[in-house]
Formats: sequence, structure tokens, C-alpha cells
Amino acid sequence: DAGVIQSPRHEVTEMGQEVTLRCKPISGHDYLFWYRQTMMRGLELLIYFNNNVPIDDSGMPEDRFSAKMPNASFSTLKIQPSEPRDSAVYFCASSARGGAGELFFGEGSRLTVL
Amino acid sequence: RKEVEQDPGPFNVPEGATVAFNCTYSNSASQSFFWYRQDCRKEPKLLMSVYSSGNEDGRFTAQLNRASQYISLLIRDSKLSDSATYLCVVIARNRDDKIIFGKGTRLHILP
Repeated sequence: DAGVIQSPRHEVTEMGQEVTLRCKPISGHDYLFWYRQTMMRGLELLIYFNNNVPIDDSGMPEDRFSAKMPNASFSTLKIQPSEPRDSAVYFCASSARGGAGELFFGEGSRLTVL
Repeated sequence: RKEVEQDPGPFNVPEGATVAFNCTYSNSASQSFFWYRQDCRKEPKLLMSVYSSGNEDGRFTAQLNRASQYISLLIRDSKLSDSATYLCVVIARNRDDKIIFGKGTRLHILP
């Protein structure tokens, strides 16, 4: 069975450019999470969806970040404009039971903003 | 006080030894606890849940101390393949059911 699929795996871009990260959750999972991981701050929850509806976006750092989930099988995280401090690994995870169950992570998207 | 705190390590432990590390949490309403493992440059993966009475899975034992608000992970007969970062996860059963990850404890098993 396919796990959580993220793309791109790696992205290098210049400051000011728009970045779009994509995620396909595991089929049948109702919850989708976007995390950001850096050495300094560890794994931070940015936003999560339940049944395609954003539930908690309090972790989104600022208005430059936006996330959508137009259907049960696809979500995007967009950064516009990007800044060097956005450089991190962005993980998408899905779960069948929200926080009560196991979170299955994708392999991550490693973003470098120059 | 941070919501979830872990000693970042690294813990350098000889192969075959027993190692244990703790994770403290600040929210007394926390009700669900997990340990995840993350290999270098990989995604986190669930290692085990932590039950109130403590639980064991092979060489791994997880325990919960609600009075002192910490969870622990003990690894017996450590293997080289146990080298990884171990992340504790705490979930508070309130309106938001917020999932909080610790920053992780790095473990290096030495041959």
C-alpha cells in the first residue's frame, strides 16, 4: 500500500519566490497534518485538517503561509513570498483517528530558500 | 516551562547496554502518549504507545508517571540499529486535542 506521498522531495529557491508543497494522504485517513522541522525548533505543527476542513491553523507562522485541502486525496502548503528562515523540512502526515491514532508521515520536502 | 521537554542528548551507549530517557510534559490534562523514532534524514515513525500501566514491546519498555508528569523509554540489550532520535508525543484531550512533539533525544549505539 502506498504511504503518504509528498512532492517535491527537495526544493531550492530564491527569496521572494512562491513555493508549493504537495501531499497525498493515505486513502481513508480523515486527518491530515502539516509539520515543519528544524534543528532549532524541532517538529512544529503548522495546520491540520479533518475531513478536508482546517481545524487548527494556529501554528501557521504568518500570512505568507497558506494551506488547502480541496479533496480527501490532496493538500497543498504554499509559501508566498518565501524567505530564508522558511528553510526546513516540511512533513505531511495522515491519520485515521486524529491524535488518538498513529500518524503516518511522508518522506518530507526539504526546502532551501537562498 | 515548555509543553514537552526532552534531553537532546546525544546519549552515546555501548552495544548491549541498557539506556533510558525521559520526557516531561507541562499540561496535566494530557491523556495520550507515544514514542516515535526518527532516523537521520527520514520521517518519524511510531515506535510505541505509552499506557498508564506501562507497556513492553520486545526490548522496549515505556512507562508513564502522571504524578510527576513524565514518560520514559527504556531500551534493553541495545543494538546498533537502535541509533536514532526518539521523539515523545503528548496529546491533551481538550477541545483542540493538540498533538505536541518533543524535540527528541539522539541516541548513538557504539560498537
